[in-house]
Parts: sequence; structure tokens; C-alpha cells
Amino acid sequence: SQTIHQWPATLVQPVGSPLSLECTVEGTSNPNLYWYRQAAGRGLQLLFYSVGIGQISSEVPQNLSASRPQDRQFILSSKKLLLSDSGFYLCAWDKRAGTTDTQYFGPGTRLTVL
Amino acid sequence: AQSVAQPEDQVNVAEGNPLTVKCTYSVSGNPYLFWYVQYPNRGLQFLLKYITGDNLVKGSYGFEAEFNKSQTSFHLKKPSALVSDSALYFCAVRDEDTGRRALTFGSGTRLQVQP
Repeated sequence: SQTIHQWPATLVQPVGSPLSLECTVEGTSNPNLYWYRQAAGRGLQLLFYSVGIGQISSEVPQNLSASRPQDRQFILSSKKLLLSDSGFYLCAWDKRAGTTDTQYFGPGTRLTVL
Repeated sequence: AQSVAQPEDQVNVAEGNPLTVKCTYSVSGNPYLFWYVQYPNRGLQFLLKYITGDNLVKGSYGFEAEFNKSQTSFHLKKPSALVSDSALYFCAVRDEDTGRRALTFGSGTRLQVQP
């Protein structure tokens, strides 16, 4: 069966510090990968998605970036965090082919920027 | 552009009573519809989806949803609510015609089941 991991689970960082959040998927190959941010415990905003190694699409311009160095690894980064970057970050995956596929989510990372 | 509306921020129901969480959608083509549940500080868990076929979809934990094309709705239902059903529920849509892979989510509805 497939599993998706995110780490760290929680993170407290000062404004202006760098960020690296990691997401890995097990039990599947060639997945589509997604980063979402959930602010104030409500709606989800799509940040980035990737259909393959090195292929990143950005949905919202901001000071975050994403990379996919390996097939099942997706990293969210920032060079300098802002207060507004605080939130709950969720990674998700689905199969490469077929728009009917279910998207599965990781456990999330709670980021607090002080 | 595709969109999802969940008109109720919160739904309160007594344990043992039926529950309904509302969702309406807007797409240009055929919709693929999903329901997810989120417990505090956790990721989203998949409950059920509608792709095609029978308008009544059954999912996990006794939940079901009814697809209504004329009303562009996909309401989540359960015949008898449990206290443990208290959580945040999200409806999401993917438009077949756009080929867009990412889901568009509603703003979420908090379900509170009272003992």
C-alpha cells in the first residue's frame, strides 16, 4: 500500500530564516505531487504541483519555492520566511494518469513564524 | 474556472440524528467530486468520490453523498451521527474538461455532534 510522509511535524522559525519541508511517498512510482497551505484551519490553497522530476508548476507567486529531486520526493523551501508564511502545510499525491484519481494527503507540517 | 461552495461554516447535530453537510460546485465540463475529513492537526482523509454512474455514492465510516447534476450539488450525508464524526469536512472538485490535476476545495464545514 502507498504511504506519504512529511517532516517535520511541527516547526517554529524566526522571521527571515530559511525553510525546508520534505515530503516522500512510498509504494508507488511516477506520482503527481502537490503542496497545499491551510491557513486559519480552513480552506486549502494550492502552492505547487509536480508531474515529474524537476517539473514544478507554481500556482501562487510568493517567497516559497519547490523542488522535486527524486521521483517520490517533494521539497518546499524558502530563503527568508515571512510572518505570513505561518500555516499548516500539506503534501498530497495522486497517480500520474487519469483525472478520476483520488488525491491522498500526508499528515502535514505546522509552521509557526515568529 | 472551477469552484466549490460550502455554505455552512458549522453544522450542529445531536448524536443519533441524521446529518447533512452541503456542497455546491461550478465547472465547465463534467465534475469529479470528492469529500475529505480533517481531524485537528491532521492531514485530510478521503471519504468518497463521485466519478460517474449511480448518483448515490457510499464511502468510509457510513458516509454517503448524493450527486445532483441539475442542482450542481454533492451533499454529504450520514443516517446516524456519532460524536466521533465531529471534524472539519471539505468538498472538492476536479473538472474533467480542463485536464487540471489539482483539486479545488471548498472553505470547509465544521461538524459538531453533541452527545
